[in-house]
Amino acid sequence: NAGVTQTPKFQVLKTGQSMTLQCAQDMNHEYMSWYRQDPGMGLRLIHYSVGAGITDQGEVPNGYNVSRSTTEDFPLRLLSAAPSQTSVYFCASSYRGAGNTIYFGEGSWLTVV
Amino acid sequence: AQTVTQSQPEMSVQEAETVTLSCTYDTSENNYYLFWYKQPPSRQMILVIRQEAYKQQNATENRFSVNFQKAAKSFSLKISDSQLGDTAMYFCAFMKRNDKIIFGKGTRLHILP
Repeated sequence: NAGVTQTPKFQVLKTGQSMTLQCAQDMNHEYMSWYRQDPGMGLRLIHYSVGAGITDQGEVPNGYNVSRSTTEDFPLRLLSAAPSQTSVYFCASSYRGAGNTIYFGEGSWLTVV
Repeated sequence: AQTVTQSQPEMSVQEAETVTLSCTYDTSENNYYLFWYKQPPSRQMILVIRQEAYKQQNATENRFSVNFQKAAKSFSLKISDSQLGDTAMYFCAFMKRNDKIIFGKGTRLHILP
């Protein structure tokens, strides 16, 4: 059981470049989300999805796009990378419903220079 | 909007001692869920313990227990007989029914030999 898989694990981008962080889960979870973690800021929600075809913004959505065409995949797109987007990104998934355990990926380290 | 506050950015205790991490939250909801997550240096997010707000009994998982005070909106984590492997960042998190999870900024815990 692979759980939540994020790729790539490390990435260096130049300012203005675009890229996609991939996230896949094999647990048939309805709920998927993306967080960024910066020093001293904890985890901040970027975007989330409660099912295929449905996405919504979190706390810090600017500069990011998401789509959910399948239950398994929830890619995060950086449209035009900025140094302020240097962070560790976590994808997470769970069954929808009150209090279900959330499973996290191992994180993607992104540096924008 | 819901908020989660962890007032202790960093703590250190000797191995085998008991330590308590504080968490307060703000919500107008009556039904919700609270979590403590552990993030070791590997950056993986590991669920430590979960509490359902409608349950008065405090959750316990081996050496980890919580003190849930619903009226005071307080949710502290107690680690008994602390071990070196408990060294990690600990996040308190809040989730209301069928909604996104909100994290605090975390407490960095050092267990000293």
